[in-house]
Amino acid sequence: DVVLTQSPLSQSVTLGQPASISCRSSESLVYSDGDTYLYWFQQRPGQSPRRLIYLVSKRDSGVPDRFSGSGSGTDFTLQISRVEADDVGIYYCMQVTRGRTFGQGTKLEIK
Amino acid sequence: EVQLVDSGGGLVQPGGSLRLSCVASGFTFSRYWMSWVRQAPGKGLEWVANITPDGSEDYYAGSVKGRFTITRDNAKKSLSLQMNSLRAEDTAVYYCVTDAFDHWGQGTLVTVSS
Repeated sequence: DVVLTQSPLSQSVTLGQPASISCRSSESLVYSDGDTYLYWFQQRPGQSPRRLIYLVSKRDSGVPDRFSGSGSGTDFTLQISRVEADDVGIYYCMQVTRGRTFGQGTKLEIK
Repeated sequence: EVQLVDSGGGLVQPGGSLRLSCVASGFTFSRYWMSWVRQAPGKGLEWVANITPDGSEDYYAGSVKGRFTITRDNAKKSLSLQMNSLRAEDTAVYYCVTDAFDHWGQGTLVTVSS
Protein backbone atom coordinates (compact mmCIF):
# COMPACT_ATOMS: atom_id res chain seq x y z
CA ASP A 1 0.00 0.00 0.00
CA VAL A 2 1.12 3.54 -0.69
CA VAL A 3 2.14 5.41 2.46
CA LEU A 4 1.97 9.19 2.62
CA THR A 5 4.14 10.88 5.23
CA GLN A 6 3.39 14.49 6.12
CA SER A 7 5.70 16.88 7.89
CA PRO A 8 5.55 18.68 10.14
CA LEU A 9 2.65 17.14 12.06
CA SER A 10 1.93 20.48 13.66
CA GLN A 11 2.88 24.02 12.83
CA SER A 12 2.39 27.31 14.65
CA VAL A 13 2.52 30.31 12.34
CA THR A 14 2.28 34.07 12.87
CA LEU A 15 -0.57 35.78 11.04
CA GLY A 16 0.61 37.03 7.67
CA GLN A 17 3.57 34.68 7.54
CA PRO A 18 3.92 31.74 5.14
CA ALA A 19 3.36 28.09 5.94
CA SER A 20 4.53 24.99 4.15
CA ILE A 21 3.51 21.34 4.52
CA SER A 22 5.36 18.44 2.96
CA CYS A 23 3.83 15.17 1.79
CA ARG A 24 6.10 12.34 0.75
CA SER A 25 4.90 9.17 -0.90
CA SER A 26 6.41 5.69 -0.61
CA GLU A 27 5.87 5.24 -4.37
CA SER A 28 5.60 7.44 -7.41
CA LEU A 29 2.12 8.89 -7.78
CA VAL A 30 2.29 9.29 -11.54
CA TYR A 31 -0.58 7.33 -13.04
CA SER A 32 -0.46 5.48 -16.37
CA ASP A 33 -2.29 8.39 -18.04
CA GLY A 34 0.54 10.75 -17.07
CA ASP A 35 -1.41 12.62 -14.39
CA THR A 36 -0.52 12.67 -10.70
CA TYR A 37 -3.54 12.18 -8.46
CA LEU A 38 -2.44 14.02 -5.36
CA TYR A 39 -4.98 16.13 -3.43
CA TRP A 40 -4.85 18.48 -0.46
CA PHE A 41 -7.68 18.99 2.03
CA GLN A 42 -8.43 21.44 4.80
CA GLN A 43 -10.49 20.39 7.80
CA ARG A 44 -11.53 23.24 10.05
CA PRO A 45 -12.53 22.39 13.63
CA GLY A 46 -15.93 20.70 13.70
CA GLN A 47 -16.32 20.63 9.92
CA SER A 48 -16.13 18.10 7.12
CA PRO A 49 -12.94 18.15 5.08
CA ARG A 50 -12.82 20.42 2.05
CA ARG A 51 -10.70 19.77 -1.01
CA LEU A 52 -8.32 22.63 -1.76
CA ILE A 53 -6.01 21.25 -4.44
CA TYR A 54 -6.28 18.45 -6.99
CA LEU A 55 -3.80 17.05 -9.53
CA VAL A 56 -0.94 18.40 -7.38
CA SER A 57 -1.40 22.08 -8.15
CA LYS A 58 -4.92 22.90 -9.38
CA ARG A 59 -6.94 25.01 -6.96
CA ASP A 60 -10.58 24.17 -6.39
CA SER A 61 -13.22 26.79 -7.02
CA GLY A 62 -13.38 29.36 -4.25
CA VAL A 63 -9.98 28.51 -2.79
CA PRO A 64 -7.92 31.66 -2.20
CA ASP A 65 -4.81 32.02 -4.32
CA ARG A 66 -2.81 32.16 -1.08
CA PHE A 67 -2.94 28.36 -1.29
CA SER A 68 -0.70 26.62 -3.80
CA GLY A 69 0.40 23.06 -4.43
CA SER A 70 3.56 21.82 -6.06
CA GLY A 71 5.71 18.75 -6.47
CA SER A 72 6.12 15.68 -8.58
CA GLY A 73 6.74 11.94 -8.35
CA THR A 74 6.95 11.28 -4.63
CA ASP A 75 7.46 14.73 -3.09
CA PHE A 76 4.70 17.31 -2.75
CA THR A 77 4.15 20.56 -0.91
CA LEU A 78 1.20 22.71 0.11
CA GLN A 79 2.09 26.34 0.67
CA ILE A 80 0.08 29.13 2.21
CA SER A 81 1.66 32.43 1.26
CA ARG A 82 0.17 34.52 4.09
CA VAL A 83 -1.60 32.69 6.88
CA GLU A 84 -4.94 34.08 8.03
CA ALA A 85 -6.95 33.21 11.13
CA ASP A 86 -9.43 31.32 8.95
CA ASP A 87 -6.69 28.85 7.94
CA VAL A 88 -6.57 27.16 11.35
CA GLY A 89 -7.29 23.48 11.06
CA ILE A 90 -5.79 20.19 9.94
CA TYR A 91 -4.42 19.71 6.43
CA TYR A 92 -4.28 16.32 4.74
CA CYS A 93 -2.70 15.12 1.55
CA MET A 94 -4.28 12.20 -0.26
CA GLN A 95 -3.36 10.05 -3.21
CA VAL A 96 -5.75 8.23 -5.52
CA THR A 97 -3.19 7.00 -8.06
CA ARG A 98 -2.78 3.59 -6.41
CA GLY A 99 -5.82 2.95 -4.25
CA ARG A 100 -6.74 5.70 -1.83
CA THR A 101 -4.49 6.84 1.01
CA PHE A 102 -4.43 9.87 3.28
CA GLY A 103 -1.45 11.41 5.02
CA GLN A 104 -1.55 11.63 8.82
CA GLY A 105 -2.56 15.28 8.82
CA THR A 106 -0.78 18.50 9.81
CA LYS A 107 -2.32 20.74 12.44
CA LEU A 108 -1.96 24.45 11.68
CA GLU A 109 -2.27 26.90 14.55
CA ILE A 110 -1.77 30.63 14.89
CA LYS A 111 1.13 31.73 17.04
CA GLU B 1 -25.78 23.07 -5.24
CA VAL B 2 -24.29 19.64 -4.53
CA GLN B 3 -25.50 18.12 -1.27
CA LEU B 4 -24.69 14.82 0.41
CA VAL B 5 -26.72 14.04 3.52
CA ASP B 6 -25.43 11.22 5.70
CA SER B 7 -27.57 9.34 8.21
CA GLY B 8 -27.89 6.09 10.12
CA GLY B 9 -25.18 6.41 12.73
CA GLY B 10 -25.67 5.47 16.37
CA LEU B 11 -24.54 3.29 19.24
CA VAL B 12 -24.11 -0.40 18.53
CA GLN B 13 -22.62 -3.27 20.53
CA PRO B 14 -19.46 -5.06 19.40
CA GLY B 15 -20.37 -7.74 16.88
CA GLY B 16 -23.50 -5.85 15.85
CA SER B 17 -24.58 -4.34 12.55
CA LEU B 18 -25.52 -0.93 11.28
CA ARG B 19 -26.50 0.51 7.92
CA LEU B 20 -25.47 4.01 6.89
CA SER B 21 -27.20 5.98 4.17
CA CYS B 22 -26.40 9.01 2.08
CA VAL B 23 -28.80 10.91 -0.16
CA ALA B 24 -27.33 12.99 -2.96
CA SER B 25 -28.70 16.01 -4.78
CA GLY B 26 -27.48 18.74 -7.10
CA PHE B 27 -25.53 16.53 -9.50
CA THR B 28 -26.03 13.52 -11.77
CA PHE B 29 -25.42 10.89 -9.11
CA SER B 30 -25.49 7.94 -11.51
CA ARG B 31 -22.40 9.18 -13.36
CA TYR B 32 -20.03 9.27 -10.40
CA TRP B 33 -17.94 6.87 -8.36
CA MET B 34 -18.74 7.31 -4.68
CA SER B 35 -16.76 6.61 -1.51
CA TRP B 36 -17.10 6.34 2.24
CA VAL B 37 -14.36 7.86 4.40
CA ARG B 38 -14.18 7.62 8.19
CA GLN B 39 -12.48 9.52 10.98
CA ALA B 40 -12.01 8.03 14.44
CA PRO B 41 -12.33 10.52 17.32
CA GLY B 42 -9.32 12.82 17.33
CA LYS B 43 -7.67 10.88 14.50
CA GLY B 44 -7.02 11.30 10.79
CA LEU B 45 -9.01 10.36 7.71
CA GLU B 46 -9.28 6.78 6.48
CA TRP B 47 -10.77 5.74 3.15
CA VAL B 48 -13.21 2.86 3.66
CA ALA B 49 -14.78 1.82 0.37
CA ASN B 50 -15.87 2.97 -3.07
CA ILE B 51 -18.24 1.89 -5.82
CA THR B 52 -18.48 2.38 -9.57
CA PRO B 53 -21.22 4.55 -11.11
CA ASP B 54 -23.37 1.56 -12.08
CA GLY B 55 -22.71 -0.31 -8.84
CA SER B 56 -21.11 -3.28 -10.60
CA GLU B 57 -17.76 -3.04 -8.81
CA ASP B 58 -16.77 -2.13 -5.28
CA TYR B 59 -13.48 -1.86 -3.42
CA TYR B 60 -12.59 -1.87 0.26
CA ALA B 61 -9.86 -0.98 2.71
CA GLY B 62 -8.24 -4.03 4.23
CA SER B 63 -9.52 -3.07 7.67
CA VAL B 64 -13.17 -3.52 6.63
CA LYS B 65 -13.03 -6.04 3.78
CA GLY B 66 -15.43 -8.92 4.35
CA ARG B 67 -17.38 -7.00 7.01
CA PHE B 68 -18.64 -3.89 5.19
CA THR B 69 -20.61 -3.66 1.93
CA ILE B 70 -21.10 -0.53 -0.12
CA THR B 71 -24.13 -0.31 -2.41
CA ARG B 72 -26.03 2.33 -4.32
CA ASP B 73 -29.49 2.98 -5.73
CA ASN B 74 -29.17 5.39 -8.64
CA ALA B 75 -32.94 5.78 -8.99
CA LYS B 76 -33.07 7.07 -5.41
CA LYS B 77 -29.72 8.87 -5.64
CA SER B 78 -28.61 7.07 -2.54
CA LEU B 79 -25.46 5.40 -1.26
CA SER B 80 -25.34 2.88 1.58
CA LEU B 81 -22.78 1.20 3.78
CA GLN B 82 -23.80 -2.04 5.48
CA MET B 83 -21.49 -2.63 8.42
CA ASN B 84 -21.42 -6.07 10.07
CA SER B 85 -19.30 -7.62 12.82
CA LEU B 86 -18.57 -4.18 14.18
CA ARG B 87 -15.56 -3.64 16.42
CA ALA B 88 -14.60 -0.90 18.85
CA GLU B 89 -12.03 0.33 16.33
CA ASP B 90 -14.81 1.03 13.82
CA THR B 91 -15.97 3.89 16.05
CA ALA B 92 -15.76 6.98 13.86
CA VAL B 93 -17.57 9.68 11.97
CA TYR B 94 -18.42 8.25 8.55
CA TYR B 95 -18.56 10.59 5.54
CA CYS B 96 -20.22 9.97 2.20
CA VAL B 97 -17.97 11.51 -0.46
CA THR B 98 -17.81 11.78 -4.21
CA ASP B 99 -14.83 9.68 -5.31
CA ALA B 100 -13.14 12.80 -6.65
CA PHE B 101 -13.34 13.89 -3.00
CA ASP B 102 -14.65 17.30 -4.00
CA HIS B 103 -17.95 16.99 -2.15
CA TRP B 104 -18.46 15.63 1.37
CA GLY B 105 -21.46 14.87 3.54
CA GLN B 106 -21.72 16.24 7.04
CA GLY B 107 -20.81 12.87 8.53
CA THR B 108 -22.65 10.48 10.83
CA LEU B 109 -21.17 9.14 14.08
CA VAL B 110 -20.93 5.41 14.67
CA THR B 111 -20.04 4.31 18.20
CA VAL B 112 -19.27 0.66 18.86
CA SER B 113 -19.37 -0.01 22.57
CA SER B 114 -20.95 -2.31 25.11
